[in-house]
Amino acid sequence: AQSVTQLGSHVSVSEGALVLLRCNYSSSVPPYLFWYVQYPNQGLQLLLKYTTGATLVKGINGFEAEFKKSETSFHLTKPSAHMSDAAEYFCAVSDTDKLIFGTGTRLQVFP
Amino acid sequence: DTAVSQTPKYLVTQMGNDKSIKCEQNLGHDTMYWYKQDSKKFLKIMFSYNNKELIINETVPNRFSPKSPDKAHLNLHINSLELGDSAVYFCASSHSQWGSGANVLTFGAGSRLTVL
Repeated sequence: AQSVTQLGSHVSVSEGALVLLRCNYSSSVPPYLFWYVQYPNQGLQLLLKYTTGATLVKGINGFEAEFKKSETSFHLTKPSAHMSDAAEYFCAVSDTDKLIFGTGTRLQVFP
Repeated sequence: DTAVSQTPKYLVTQMGNDKSIKCEQNLGHDTMYWYKQDSKKFLKIMFSYNNKELIINETVPNRFSPKSPDKAHLNLHINSLELGDSAVYFCASSHSQWGSGANVLTFGAGSRLTVL
């Protein structure tokens, strides 16, 4: 069965610093991978997805993620954090016709 | 114009009561889902419907009964509410690319259920 593991339930960065949120996956087939963001009291919004092709995927709000098969990873990065990036981030893997989510990483951004 | 809308947004009720949450999507999607998010933010799928047909039922107590009157609506009815049912329930929808796994889900804003 497919699964994802997010390392670090909380990440804190200063405004302008690099954001790195870690996600490792387990899949018996080539995975489809997603990152979603959840702002307080809101639903989840798609940041980016990897299906096939280019392994570096660019998403909204300046985020990107790189699929590394050798490391079974799909880490999310942003070169320069903004206060508005503070939210909960979820990595997910597709399992046939549903998404399996990781446990989430809360990103805090300090001025 | 909200793509996936859920009502109510907040629901506070007593143990043992029966309650319903409604979901509607105007995206023309043919697949709809219910996810449960617990107090630790863990998201777990409960049900999925494709064109009004139940396709995923993830070991959810039979006190939970989804109903899809048409492919734009998926409601969730919960009988005999228990304390452990307190959570945020998210509705989502997608275009079915059957078996491809590349479905992008669009989520509603959530319905926070508190059972006292």
